[in-house]
Amino acid sequence: GNSVTQMEGPVTLSEEAFLTINCTYTATGYPSLFWYVQYPGEGLQLLLKATKADDKGSNKGFEATYRKETTSFHLEKGSVQVSDSAVYFCALSDRDSNYQLIWGAGTKLIIKP
Amino acid sequence: KAGVTQTPRYLIKTRGQQVTLSCSPISGHRSVSWYQQTPGQGLQFLFEYFSETQRNKGNFPGRFSGRQFSNSRSEMNVSTLELGDSALYLCASSSTSARQETQYFGPGTRLLVL
Repeated sequence: GNSVTQMEGPVTLSEEAFLTINCTYTATGYPSLFWYVQYPGEGLQLLLKATKADDKGSNKGFEATYRKETTSFHLEKGSVQVSDSAVYFCALSDRDSNYQLIWGAGTKLIIKP
Repeated sequence: KAGVTQTPRYLIKTRGQQVTLSCSPISGHRSVSWYQQTPGQGLQFLFEYFSETQRNKGNFPGRFSGRQFSNSRSEMNVSTLELGDSALYLCASSSTSARQETQYFGPGTRLLVL
């Protein structure tokens, strides 16, 4: 079945550091890929998405490129801020999952000033 | 546009009781999905409703049920609560169907079962 694997956290970085959170997926079809963010005590917010191979999603300085050849959708940001501290979830949806979101385990990001 | 709202935000129940959670989707959205989030199992899909009909169902026991009203508001019910039902329950809405549409999440209802 479909699945999403994220790098384990927590990931601890200093402010202005470069961020990469790895995400790889397994799917038989052509899924849509998502990154959601969850700030402490809150629900999930869509950060960015990509619906086909080689698409790049971007928002708030974050980027991720849909790489079908490596089945990856790694999240990157050039210079993180303390306010980026949160849990980041990679997810996919496709026909095999009846288009419901299949989630990674989440990666907690801690940014120190 | 107002976002997805969920009530109540927090609940404390005891084992064996039942609970009803409510979700109001974004105005105009007709699809509502429910997810359970726990530290051990992560995020898991419960069910999706579209135009008052359950379209998809996850792998949860029959104690978990839901419904959707004509105004697209949705409720989920958990009967005979167990300690393991303690979780954050998230509701998400999308404009037509969850199929290939972005889902927008509410803040969640945190349920604690004692």
